[in-house]
Amino acid sequence: LAKTTQPISMDSYEGQEVNITCSHNNIATNDYITWYQQFPSQGPRFIIQGYKTKVTNEVASLFIPADRKSSTLSLPRVSLSDTAVYYCLVGYQGGKLIFGQGTELSVKP
Amino acid sequence: EPEVTQTPSHQVTQMGQEVILRCVPISNHLYFYWYRQILGQKVEFLVSFYNNEISEKSEIFDDQFSVERPDGSNFTLKIRSTKLEDSAMYFCASSPGQISGNTIYFGEGSWLTVV
Repeated sequence: LAKTTQPISMDSYEGQEVNITCSHNNIATNDYITWYQQFPSQGPRFIIQGYKTKVTNEVASLFIPADRKSSTLSLPRVSLSDTAVYYCLVGYQGGKLIFGQGTELSVKP
Repeated sequence: EPEVTQTPSHQVTQMGQEVILRCVPISNHLYFYWYRQILGQKVEFLVSFYNNEISEKSEIFDDQFSVERPDGSNFTLKIRSTKLEDSAMYFCASSPGQISGNTIYFGEGSWLTVV
């Protein structure tokens, strides 16, 4: 399973765009990149998943360069309710997702 | 939007007691999982389950733990003889498939406190 590295914490202000970059140098050919959001005392919530280039949904965008060794989660116009921990995960075997510490995003008014 | 549901949301139990945590996975999913998160720590994989069998388990998932799909909708985690260190948030999850690209969806969790 590919190891991921992402910033431990980020600060932002309401209305700003937030970009969280994750590096995954050892990503395998078949691996997808998945991002989850977790609020305190709640389960990880799926945000977005992609394999290459760009994926967009109603919540976020995911940018993946051609070499796929990194990915960037983009949250447009964050609000206070986007304060959470964001996890980047790459691939899984047997349903075994390996969660790191994630990025603790703090959105301030 | 389909979701994984878990009961109870919070349970307090005496050390040494048995606990059963229940989950209803998303209806058309075939793979089921339990994860746990001790307060302030990472989310950890416990076990995956498919076709009425455990397909993979972690070192944490020892003989104290068992999983079962007793009927067509429920998926349970049993913890025998609970210990203080079993206090954690337990998350059930499910997915339609088990290769990368199949999204794993998590429930809201069951908070277990062992006293």
